[in-house]
Amino acid sequence: NAGVTQTPKFQVLKTGQSMTLQCAQDMNHNSMYWYRQDPGMGLRLIYYSASEGTTDKGEVPNGYNVSRLNKREFSLRLESAAPSQTSVYFCASSKQEETQYFGPGTRLLVL
Amino acid sequence: QKEVEQNSGPLSVPEGAIASLNCTYSDRGSQSFFWYRQYSGKSPELIMFIYSNGDKEDGRFTAQLNKASQYVSLLIRDSQPSDSATYLCASSGTSYGKLTFGQGTILTVHP
Repeated sequence: NAGVTQTPKFQVLKTGQSMTLQCAQDMNHNSMYWYRQDPGMGLRLIYYSASEGTTDKGEVPNGYNVSRLNKREFSLRLESAAPSQTSVYFCASSKQEETQYFGPGTRLLVL
Repeated sequence: QKEVEQNSGPLSVPEGAIASLNCTYSDRGSQSFFWYRQYSGKSPELIMFIYSNGDKEDGRFTAQLNKASQYVSLLIRDSQPSDSATYLCASSGTSYGKLTFGQGTILTVHP
């Protein structure tokens, strides 16, 4: 039981490049979330998926897209990376409302 | 105004003392409240949650909720150096499954 896994752990991009962050959970959770964490800002919700087949915007969705591929997997895509997207990205999942379990994070640097 | 506010600290307490972490929230519709601990370079991990007014105890941790004052706190008794981390307060409001996080309080427990 791996919980929530994320790939890659680290990534360096140049401005304008695209990439997809992958997230998977093996806890049979319905809901999945993508957050970014910046110094002094806490965790900010980018997108979430309450159930398979649905996605909704969070607090800071601009510049990102998501795909809920199936119940296990929820990916985050940066179409054209910008330096402002340099951050640590966390994926989380929950069975129903509320209690969320986090993956190990992806550290992204955009030059 | 941020919906969940925490004193960013750092809060420094001696080993064996009680550490008191505080959090206020602005959304009166918030239902549940969560405390996460985050070690440097790691992902947040749930310590406890509370949704009823009053105190909830779990080992050395006590969460306190006062909905009238819109105030949540976390007490850590017999603080240990291993408790040194950033503590994140989060609220669950009326939007399904969505958590709003405070910016976190850095706690340092010194021997």
